[in-house]
Amino acid sequence: GESVGLHLPTLSVQEGDNSIINCAYSNSASDYFIWYKQESGKGPQFIIDIRSNMDKRQGQRVTVLLNKTVKHLSLQIAATQPGDSAVYFCAGNAGGTSYGKLTFGQGTILTVHP
Amino acid sequence: NAGVTQTPKFRILKIGQSMTLQCTQDMNHNYMYWYRQDPGMGLKLIYYSVGAGITDKGEVPNGYNVSRSTTEDFPLRLELAAPSQTSVYFCASSYSGGAGNTIYFGEGSWLTVV
Repeated sequence: GESVGLHLPTLSVQEGDNSIINCAYSNSASDYFIWYKQESGKGPQFIIDIRSNMDKRQGQRVTVLLNKTVKHLSLQIAATQPGDSAVYFCAGNAGGTSYGKLTFGQGTILTVHP
Repeated sequence: NAGVTQTPKFRILKIGQSMTLQCTQDMNHNYMYWYRQDPGMGLKLIYYSVGAGITDKGEVPNGYNVSRSTTEDFPLRLELAAPSQTSVYFCASSYSGGAGNTIYFGEGSWLTVV
């Protein structure tokens, strides 16, 4: 079955630094990946997504990298701000007509120190 | 724009009681989902629906039931509540299920079974 997991459960950075959050997946059929940000007491918020036919996608201050060879993706946050402190989840679909069903990783807690 | 709205926000149930978590979305989305999130973990799919009158099981459906009589509403029913169902429940929706269709989450419902 598919699993999506994260290498590190916590990450602490200083304000202004760049943050990198990693994620591994096991299902080769997954063709769509999403990064979510979840603040305390709230639902997950979409950050950025990437399809399997891409290896990099950039948004505002965020970049997602996908390495299909080693089944790994990462989220890079540039100039990290205290407001970026949250739990970050990667999620992947099951591929094909999976109707948007996502498998979530455990999450990485990002703490940004002023 | 309300997005995905869940009620109640918090609920305490006794073992064996039943309840319904309500979910409604005003984005005219076809696909709706129910996820649960246990402490320190990622989200797991309970049930999903690809349209009114159509529902299907996700990864952890046991102990739950759903219905989808309208496009807007997707209630989750807990029958004979058990302590293992203590969790945070998130309803979500998307326009369709293919890659690239953003899934929007509600704010969550915190359920404790004692």
